[in-house]
Amino acid sequence: NAGVTQTPKFRILKIGQSMTLQCAQDMNHNYMYWYRQDPGMGLKLIYYSVGAGITDKGEVPNGYNVSRSTTEDFPLRLELAAPSQTSVYFCASRVVSGANVLTFGAGSRLTVL
Amino acid sequence: EDKVVQSPLSLVVHEGDTVTLNCSYEVTNFRSLLWYKQEKKAPTFLFMLTSSGIEKKSGRLSSILDKKELSSILNITATQTGDSAIYLCASSRDNNDMRFGAGTRLTVKP
Repeated sequence: NAGVTQTPKFRILKIGQSMTLQCAQDMNHNYMYWYRQDPGMGLKLIYYSVGAGITDKGEVPNGYNVSRSTTEDFPLRLELAAPSQTSVYFCASRVVSGANVLTFGAGSRLTVL
Repeated sequence: EDKVVQSPLSLVVHEGDTVTLNCSYEVTNFRSLLWYKQEKKAPTFLFMLTSSGIEKKSGRLSSILDKKELSSILNITATQTGDSAIYLCASSRDNNDMRFGAGTRLTVKP
């Protein structure tokens, strides 16, 4: 049981490049989330999904896109990377009902130069 | 606009001290408030609070929710250096998104 797996762990991008952060969970969780955490700050919600085929914007969606074609996978796409997107990105998931406790991935550190 | 505000943002104490961390929220369709501890990597779950006035405890940590005041506190007694971390609170809403505060960075000195 791997939990929530994020790849890559580290990545350096040049301004204007695009990339996809991968997130997969094997717990059959319906709800999945993407957060970013800037140095010394809390977590900001980028996008979330309550099930396959359903996604919603969070607090800071601009510059990002998501898709949810399966229950297991929730990739985050960065188009035209900018230095402001330098951050640590966390993917998380939880079950549908009951406790709202999130299970987090280990994080992906992205630097845009 | 929904928001979660934590205070203080930073706190330095000595081992053995007791600390109280604060979290206030203004969230429509509030469902629950959660506390997480973040050391070097991903946040780990501490408590979930849904009912006002009921204290949750785990060892030296405890937390309580006040729905009238739209706030929660996290207490840590007899602090240890291993308690040094960022403590995050988050609110969940009926539409299922979860918003976090900026966190309180706690440093416990020997």
